[in-house]
Amino acid sequence: TQLLEQSPQFLSIQEGENLTVYCNSSSVFSSLQWYRQEPGEGPVLLVTVVTGGEVKKLKRLTFQFGDARKDSSLHITAAQPGDTGLYLCAGAGGSQGNLIFGKGTKLSVKP
Amino acid sequence: DVKVTQSSRYLVKRTGEKVFLECVQDMDHENMFWYRQDPGLGLRLIYFSYDVKMKEKGDIPEGYSVSREKKERFSLILESASTNQTSMYLCASNLNSGANVLTFGAGSRLTVL
Repeated sequence: TQLLEQSPQFLSIQEGENLTVYCNSSSVFSSLQWYRQEPGEGPVLLVTVVTGGEVKKLKRLTFQFGDARKDSSLHITAAQPGDTGLYLCAGAGGSQGNLIFGKGTKLSVKP
Repeated sequence: DVKVTQSSRYLVKRTGEKVFLECVQDMDHENMFWYRQDPGLGLRLIYFSYDVKMKEKGDIPEGYSVSREKKERFSLILESASTNQTSMYLCASNLNSGANVLTFGAGSRLTVL
């Protein structure tokens, strides 16, 4: 069974700090997606990474896909309260081609 | 933008009641999915559908059934609700293969007393 381990599970930081969220697996994924979910809403896609070693930037967010396509990271620079939410990674390659989700990282950024 | 609408945002039901959760998408997506989300357990796939009248079991189908009579609508049914089915239920859809980007609804929070 393919699993995606996300860490840390919880993160509480002050505005302006940097942080990194990790998503690791022993399995290879053809692609990996990152979603953000705000309280009371469904997850919304942030980015998809496809190529091993790929780095994508979305303003203050930097996403990296591991060379072996088994892991990924999300780095946020100078976090803001608006970054607060649940961050989910999801790998393509589960049963019948469906996505496998990590359990999420709950981020709280205090002003 | 693709929109996935879950008509019931909050429901409170009693043990043994039949529960219907409705989901509608407006962009002609082929695939639709039902997940439940619980603290510490993440998103778990209940059922999915690749076409009208077609359904496939996900990872935790026990206690649930689904219906897809029209392409845009995917319903989740709890025949006899139990307290361990208290959860956030998320509907999602995408265009073709199961590993494509998902568009989620806002969720239906179900409490079973």
